[in-house]
Amino acid sequence: AQRVTQPEKLLSVFKGAPVELKCNYSYSGSPELFWYVQYSRQRLQLLLRHISRESIKGFTADLNKGETSFHLKKPFAQEEDSAMYYCALKDTDKLIFGTGTRLQVFP
Amino acid sequence: DTGVSQDPRHKITKRGQNVTFRCDPISEHNRLYWYRQTLGQGPEFLTYFQNEAQLEKSRLLSDRFSAERPKGSFSTLEIQRTEQGDSAMYLCASSSPVPNIQYFGAGTRLSVL
Repeated sequence: AQRVTQPEKLLSVFKGAPVELKCNYSYSGSPELFWYVQYSRQRLQLLLRHISRESIKGFTADLNKGETSFHLKKPFAQEEDSAMYYCALKDTDKLIFGTGTRLQVFP
Repeated sequence: DTGVSQDPRHKITKRGQNVTFRCDPISEHNRLYWYRQTLGQGPEFLTYFQNEAQLEKSRLLSDRFSAERPKGSFSTLEIQRTEQGDSAMYLCASSSPVPNIQYFGAGTRLSVL
C-alpha cells in the first residue's frame, strides 16, 4: 500500500544546530515527493518538491530510492523554521501525507 | 487572486444536522481537491475534480458525504446527518496541470456537538 511515514512527532533543536526531518515512503512506481510546511496560524504551503532539486529557505531534500527516503535537511536551524512539516507522496493525482513532524527551534 | 478560499472558516453544528462547505480555487486551476485532517494526523484525501468531473473518491467518503463542482469553478462539500466523528478540519486545494502543485486553502474547521 502507498504510505508515508514520519517517525518523529516532535523535533527540538537550538538555533544554529543542524536539522533532519525524516520521511520514508512506500510506493509501487516512480515516486514524486513533496515537503509541505504549516507555520502557526497559516495555511499549508509547499516547501519543496524532489523533482525541482532546489533549496528553499536553506532546506534541501534528496530522494533516496534505495532507502525509500526523502529526508528534509537544513544545516543551521533558525527560530522562524519552527513549524509543522509534512512529507507527501503523489499517488495518481492525490497526495498521501505523513502524520507530520513539529520542529521547535529554541533561541 | 489571493489563493484558495474556503467558507466558512469555522462551523459548529449539532449531531444529525447537515452542513455545507464551499471552496473557491485559484482561477485557471482546473483541478480541485478535498482533504480532511484530524488532530495529530496529516491531511487525508477525500475526493477530487478535474473541471466539473469528479474523478476519484476515497473510501473515507461515506454515503453521507457529497461533493459537487457544477460549473468547474467553485466546489461544495456537503455532509448529511453529521456525526461526532466528522469533527475535523476540511481542506481544499487546487492545481493546474502544469506544474501539478496543490495549493491549499485555510480550511473549514467543523465541530459536531
